[in-house]
Amino acid sequence: DARVTQTPRHKVTEMGQEVTMRCQPILGHNTVFWYRQTMMQGLELLAYFRNRAPLDDSGMPKDRFSAEMPDATLATLKIQPSEPRDSAVYFCASGLVPWTHQETQYFGPGTRLLVL
Amino acid sequence: GQQLNQSPQSMFIQEGEDVSMNCTSSSIFNTWLWYKQDPGEGPVLLIALYKAGELTSNGRLTAQFGITRKDSFLNISASIPSDVGIYFCAGRKAGNQFYFGTGTSLTVIP
Repeated sequence: DARVTQTPRHKVTEMGQEVTMRCQPILGHNTVFWYRQTMMQGLELLAYFRNRAPLDDSGMPKDRFSAEMPDATLATLKIQPSEPRDSAVYFCASGLVPWTHQETQYFGPGTRLLVL
Repeated sequence: GQQLNQSPQSMFIQEGEDVSMNCTSSSIFNTWLWYKQDPGEGPVLLIALYKAGELTSNGRLTAQFGITRKDSFLNISASIPSDVGIYFCAGRKAGNQFYFGTGTSLTVIP
């Protein structure tokens, strides 16, 4: 049963520290999404990759956030420096053939980040 | 970011009843998607719609892409306890920008 995996599952850090979140997409999936969920803002798309190329990161604060896919089995989301307002659950999702009726998206369990 | 207007905010229904929820926006979207999220879990994509007027089913779930392209509807027929969760709509524009609804919390009373 293939699943998206995310590490760490929980992270508590102090303001100003760097945070790196990792995601292993399902093998063979060509699209990867990073989402953030908070009580105040709800769900937000941060970044979107297709075939490892970044297609859209307009939802991501550029000054402190960066998203990369160094290879097909790893996506990373970094925050440097972190701020308390970054506290949220960060979800990674992978999928196939967006914009078609065969579109799929499978979400990971999320990384729960708390910045003190 | 922009959020879509999703209603109702919460629903409490008896098992076996049908459920309807909707999502509206002042903007036009190219795709509408519906997700379900269980507590402590990531969302699950239920249905995706790509054309105005499109009606798509997934088991007991039926969703429609509004003719104006500014709204979408999700119906669940004959609800069961495992339908409990939060349902989110999302609209996607041509440039891949996603906008999410505020969610509808569904409680099914056995």
